[in-house]
Amino acid sequence: DTGVSQNPRHKITKRGQNVTFRCDPISEHNRLYWYRQTLGQGPEFLTYFQNEAQLEKSRLLSDRFSAERPKGSFSTLEIQRTEQGDSAMYLCASSTTSPGVYGYTFGSGTRLTVV
Amino acid sequence: ELKVEQNPLFLSMQEGKNYTIYCNYSTTSDRLYWYRQDPGKSLESLFVLLSNGAVKQEGRLMASLDTKARLSTLHITAAVHDLSATYFCAVAPFMGWSGGGADGLTFGKGTHLIIQP
Repeated sequence: DTGVSQNPRHKITKRGQNVTFRCDPISEHNRLYWYRQTLGQGPEFLTYFQNEAQLEKSRLLSDRFSAERPKGSFSTLEIQRTEQGDSAMYLCASSTTSPGVYGYTFGSGTRLTVV
Repeated sequence: ELKVEQNPLFLSMQEGKNYTIYCNYSTTSDRLYWYRQDPGKSLESLFVLLSNGAVKQEGRLMASLDTKARLSTLHITAAVHDLSATYFCAVAPFMGWSGGGADGLTFGKGTHLIIQP
């Protein structure tokens, strides 16, 4: 297992277009998280899944954003009708609910630029 | 709402010096994390602190947690250039209240550390 994998690494899109990002977590991790990080700021929590269930969504996640984890493995984050303010690094992380294990592993991120 | 404040936000220091980064958080938590981020890269986990008085050390970095004061520190001893990076603290919601249902981390704004030879 090579850790948390995110694709694509970079995405440039025109305003108004839809984009989709993919995250493949560590295989034995049942929790998966999406964060957004803008330049000079810390990551901001967007949403998380336990297995295939989406358990929490931040108020930052407007109705243009949707995330899925259909079989409890990989996840996708879709942004519809992108706006320039959506330009950011989108980070995925995974973790396990196994007792005594508290770490989160982050992927390398997808950098989105909306022009 | 959980808020996390780091200070300083920017730090330039000389090699060989010691310094401390502070992380304050606003509500009870039982898990605090420190991460390192290099420019354009993802987050590298440094420490997980789980209990009051916890202290962890790795090389020139030492982290501590005071849950009563809602304060964590990251101390750098005899800094070297390779430690130049942005350091984030992040706090998880208190598991006892959330029952495991609310689990997203709240990050500070980060401390941009430059260590000059």
